[in-house]
Amino acid sequence: AQSVTQPDIHITVSEGASLELRCNYSYGATPYLFWYVQSPGQGLQLLLKYFSGDTLVQGIKGFEAEFKRSQSSFNLRKPSVHWSDAAEYFCAVAIRSGNQFYFGTGTSLTVIP
Amino acid sequence: ETGVTQTPRHLVMGMTNKKSLKCEQHLGHNAMYWYKQSAKKPLELMFVYSLEERVENNSVPSRFSPECPNSSHLFLHLHTLQPEDSALYLCASSQGQGLYQSDTQYFGPGTRLTVL
Repeated sequence: AQSVTQPDIHITVSEGASLELRCNYSYGATPYLFWYVQSPGQGLQLLLKYFSGDTLVQGIKGFEAEFKRSQSSFNLRKPSVHWSDAAEYFCAVAIRSGNQFYFGTGTSLTVIP
Repeated sequence: ETGVTQTPRHLVMGMTNKKSLKCEQHLGHNAMYWYKQSAKKPLELMFVYSLEERVENNSVPSRFSPECPNSSHLFLHLHTLQPEDSALYLCASSQGQGLYQSDTQYFGPGTRLTVL
């Protein structure tokens, strides 16, 4: 069965430090890949997405993600974290051949001064 | 208003009650979605509508009944729910019609449902 794994349930980083959030998927073909962010009391907002082409994708708020086919991964990165980045981050996969979306369980990010 | 709105934001209901969740999108989109977000679990896609027709129903119990009267409005009718149905219910919309997997989904803030 298709699945999305976010191995880190919770991450704490200092403001100004770099960030990497991991995402792995289990599917035979390359799916569409997404990262969403959810602030407390809010819905999800798209940060970036990958369909094809350049494997390094730039998103909003200074985030980027790299698709690595050999590792079935789509890790999210940011070179310098801001306190406002504290939120829940979700990786998602859409299967190209069917009308299905799969989300990971999310990674909660805490930013300390 | 802009974006995707959901009402009510919070709802507490007994197991014998009947209630409805409402979602409205002001983006001119053609597809709308219901998701269930429970603690410690991935978001679960419940229903998808494209051009007011249901195109996906992920084995959701019949106590959840969706309705899409037009492309801007989506309802989720609830009846005889169970305590394990307590969760955040998120609505989303996207531009496309037909195959829409690549579309960006725009989410509402959700309705926090508690079933007593």
